[in-house]
Amino acid sequence: AQSVTQLDSQVPVFEEAPVELRCNYSSSVSVYLFWYVQYPNQGLQLLLKYLSGSTLVKGINGFEAEFNKSQTSFHLRKPSVHISDTAEYFCAVRSLDSGGYQKVTFGTGTKLQVIP
Amino acid sequence: NAGVTQTPKFQVLKTGQSMTLQCAQDMNHNSMYWYRQDPGMGLRLIYYSASEGTTDKGEVPNGYNVSRLNKREFSLRLESAAPSQTSVYFCASSDPLRGQETQYFGPGTRLLVL
Repeated sequence: AQSVTQLDSQVPVFEEAPVELRCNYSSSVSVYLFWYVQYPNQGLQLLLKYLSGSTLVKGINGFEAEFNKSQTSFHLRKPSVHISDTAEYFCAVRSLDSGGYQKVTFGTGTKLQVIP
Repeated sequence: NAGVTQTPKFQVLKTGQSMTLQCAQDMNHNSMYWYRQDPGMGLRLIYYSASEGTTDKGEVPNGYNVSRLNKREFSLRLESAAPSQTSVYFCASSDPLRGQETQYFGPGTRLLVL
């Protein structure tokens, strides 16, 4: 079984300050990792993903995340946040089940509130 | 190219009523999904369809049925709505077998069951 833990349900941060949103996962097989962002009253959209290769992944809007296999983490970071980054962020893990079908599990989300 | 579309956007039902949520994608994806989103619980998978002609239960299938009408369309049916089914429902699609790992989401359907 796989699981995703987002340790912080809400993160307030001042505009132009750095932010880190934490994500830890557990899985018995190799995984792909994703961060999605959800703006108010909208669906989710991909922010960035780790499939293989470099453990530091850069995404849209200046976000980046680092895959740490030993710590089973995939934390999301941005060096300087903007008001427009106010949204809910979801970490997700994808692995193959025994039938070869992908199984995607989402975390419970972290609401980022940027304070002007 | 509309991506993933969902209808309706909003719906209010009385307990015991039935309804069907519609979803369509124009990206030629093989896999489609239905999720529900509830506060503090993230997204939970209700049903998925790995390819046209197949459907499987997800994490919370009770009270729902699905139909993969064709490659484009995947509908979710509530036969007898209950207040516990008040939620926001999202449809998504992807194509992992062709290297498209990203899931593309529709705008959601907000359902209130009284």
